[in-house]
Amino acid sequence: DAGVIQSPRHEVTEMGQEVTLRCKPISGHDYLFWYRQTMMRGLELLIYFNNNVPIDDSGMPEDRFSAKMPNASFSTLKIQPSEPRDSAVYFCASSPGGGIAFFGQGTRLTVV
Amino acid sequence: QKEVEQNSGPLSVPEGAIASLNCTYSDRGSQSFFWYRQYSGKSPELIMFIYSNGDKEDGRFTAQLNKASQYVSLLIRDSQPSDSATYLCAVNRAGGGNKLTFGTGTQLKVEL
Repeated sequence: DAGVIQSPRHEVTEMGQEVTLRCKPISGHDYLFWYRQTMMRGLELLIYFNNNVPIDDSGMPEDRFSAKMPNASFSTLKIQPSEPRDSAVYFCASSPGGGIAFFGQGTRLTVV
Repeated sequence: QKEVEQNSGPLSVPEGAIASLNCTYSDRGSQSFFWYRQYSGKSPELIMFIYSNGDKEDGRFTAQLNKASQYVSLLIRDSQPSDSATYLCAVNRAGGGNKLTFGTGTQLKVEL
C-alpha cells in the first residue's frame, strides 16, 4: 500500500478563493482524520470520520470549513472563502483503530 | 490548562547519551498513549504506544507511563544524530472513539 495520499502537496491561493484538499486513506482503515498544524497551535484535530460518517467536527474552526467522505477511499476538506489565517499544513491521517494513525505527507496551504 | 503538555525545547543531548522526553496530560480518562516523531518538513510517524502503567521497550526506545501522576515519558538510549526531530505526545481517551489529542511537541537535537 502506498500509504495515505494527499493532494496537492502545496497550494498558494488568494484570500477569498475556495480551496479543496484531497485525501486517499489506506485501504481497510475505518477512521480518517483531518489535522491542521501551525507553529503556534501545534497539531489540531479538525474532524474525523468512522466508516465514512463524520463523528466529531468540534475542531472545525468555523463554517468556512467543510469536510466530506463520500466513500471509503476518498475525503475532501474545503475552505470557502479562504483567509490568510488559514495558512498552515493540513494533514490527513487514517487509522485501523486503537489510536494508531498513519499520516499523509500533508498539504502546505498559503493564503495571500 | 492544555490537555497534553510538553516542553517545547530544544532539548540538546550529545551523541550516545540518553534523551528523556516528558509529557503530562490532564484528562484522567485517558487510556492509551502514543509517541510520534516528526522530522522537519515531514509528517508525524508513530514510534511507540503504551497502554499500561510501567515501561515498554522497543529497541533503543522506552516508553514509561504513570497514570497516577498523569505522566508519560520517552527515553531514547544511545542517541544518534538521526534522532534529531520533534517528538509529539498523543493521548486517546477511553470512549473517545479513536480520537487523538496531541501535545505541541519537544524538539530534540542530538549533537556530534
